[in-house]
Amino acid sequence: KAGVTQTPRYLIKTRGQQVTLSCSPISGHRSVSWYQQTPGQGLQFLFEYFSETQRNKGNFPGRFSGRQFSNSRSEMNVSTLELGDSALYLCASSLVGAATSVYEQYFGPGTRLTVT
Amino acid sequence: GENVEQHPSTLSVQEGDSAVIKCTYSDSASNYFPWYKQELGKRPQLIIDIRSNVGEKKDQRIAVTLNKTAKHFSLHITETQPEDSAVYFCAAGGTNTGNQFYFGTGTSLTVIP
Repeated sequence: KAGVTQTPRYLIKTRGQQVTLSCSPISGHRSVSWYQQTPGQGLQFLFEYFSETQRNKGNFPGRFSGRQFSNSRSEMNVSTLELGDSALYLCASSLVGAATSVYEQYFGPGTRLTVT
Repeated sequence: GENVEQHPSTLSVQEGDSAVIKCTYSDSASNYFPWYKQELGKRPQLIIDIRSNVGEKKDQRIAVTLNKTAKHFSLHITETQPEDSAVYFCAAGGTNTGNQFYFGTGTSLTVIP
């Protein structure tokens, strides 16, 4: 099976702009989570989507949003970019969600976002 | 919410020695504890995980232990090799509300040949 893919891999934006990142999960995986990775803060949970619904959300401002499509592909959007949004954005997919014993998450390669 | 602390932040060992990384968590509802290895410029790779109903799990040179009462879990790597050099992250989560995971801040492991 193909792994988790993310596009684009690199992105340079200017403060105030908005950006949309895309994630395609492993085939059959229905849960997609997004994380922000920075050298100082490590991996921080943004949100999780399951069956096209946001099921969990981390402590990020409303400028960060996402959605999931019926084929489980997910996008995240960041509006009004700030310099501090520069980071590696990782998505991870999982076969199933809660109420089961399977939680393994597999990460994509990430999108490196630079805000200038 | 969950808070995961990880120690040490850096660790250097001689090839062949053992390495131990420790994590604590705060939310007693967390029931799944994965460990990831991230090499420079690469994605985090799941190397081992443990669930709340198990105290210890081993996979070749890697083992993880979990103490639910004390809310801490540890990664043990034996007979370390230079290719074990990477950043290791612990995480806690997997409550009944879904796949919401909180990560430790990482341990940079260097294995000296």
